[in-house]
Amino acid sequence: AQSVTQPDIHITVSEGASLELRCNYSYGATPYLFWYVQSPGQGLQLLLKYFSGDTLVQGIKGFEAEFKRSQSSFNLRKPSVHWSDAAEYFCAVESTSGTYKYIFGTGTRLKVLA
Amino acid sequence: EAQVTQNPRYLITVTGKKLTVTCSQNMNHEYMSWYRQDPGLGLRQIYYSMNVEVTDKGDVPEGYKVSRKEKRNFPLILESPSPNQTSLYFCASRKQGGHTEAFFGQGTRLTVV
Repeated sequence: AQSVTQPDIHITVSEGASLELRCNYSYGATPYLFWYVQSPGQGLQLLLKYFSGDTLVQGIKGFEAEFKRSQSSFNLRKPSVHWSDAAEYFCAVESTSGTYKYIFGTGTRLKVLA
Repeated sequence: EAQVTQNPRYLITVTGKKLTVTCSQNMNHEYMSWYRQDPGLGLRQIYYSMNVEVTDKGDVPEGYKVSRKEKRNFPLILESPSPNQTSLYFCASRKQGGHTEAFFGQGTRLTVV
C-alpha cells in the first residue's frame, strides 16, 4: 500500500534560518505529490505540487520542494524562515487506487524562534 | 472567491446524539471527500464522492454516513456519535480525474462527551 512518511514530528528553527522538512513516499511509478500547510485554526492550504517535469518545484510563500526519485523523497525547503511560517506541514501523495484520495503523512509541526 | 465552507466550526455534543456537519463548495467540483485529523495520524479519508449520488467508503468510514444529493453539498452525518469520534474534520473538493489540487474547508472541531 502507498504510504507517506514525515520523520520529524516537531522542528524548531530560528527566524531567518533555513528550513528543510522531510517527506518520503512509497510508490514505484511517478507519484503525484503535494505539500500543504495548516496554520493554527485554519484549513489546509496548498504550498506546491509535483506531477511531472522539472524536479524542483516552486510554491507560494517562498517555499520550494525537490523530487528525488532515487531517494523516494519530496523535501520541502525555504531559505529564510519567517515567524509567520510557524504551522503544521503535511506531505501527501495521490492514491493510484482509483479513488483519487490523498494519502497524508503524519505532519511536521514547525516552531519559529524570534 | 473559490471556497469550501464547513459548518459548524466547533461542536460539543453528547454520546448518541445525532449530528450533521455540512460542507458546501462553489467551484462546481465533482469530487468531494471528508477527512479526519488526529494527532500522530495525519489526515485519513472517511468517505468520498465522485459525483452526485455516487459515494464510497474511505479508510475510516465506521460510524459515519454521507449523502450527495446536490453537486455543491456533501454533509457528514454521525448517527450515534461516540467519544472516539472526537476529532478535527475537514471537507475537501477537487476536479474529477485526479492530478488536481484539493481545496479544504477550515475544519470542524468535534468533541463527543
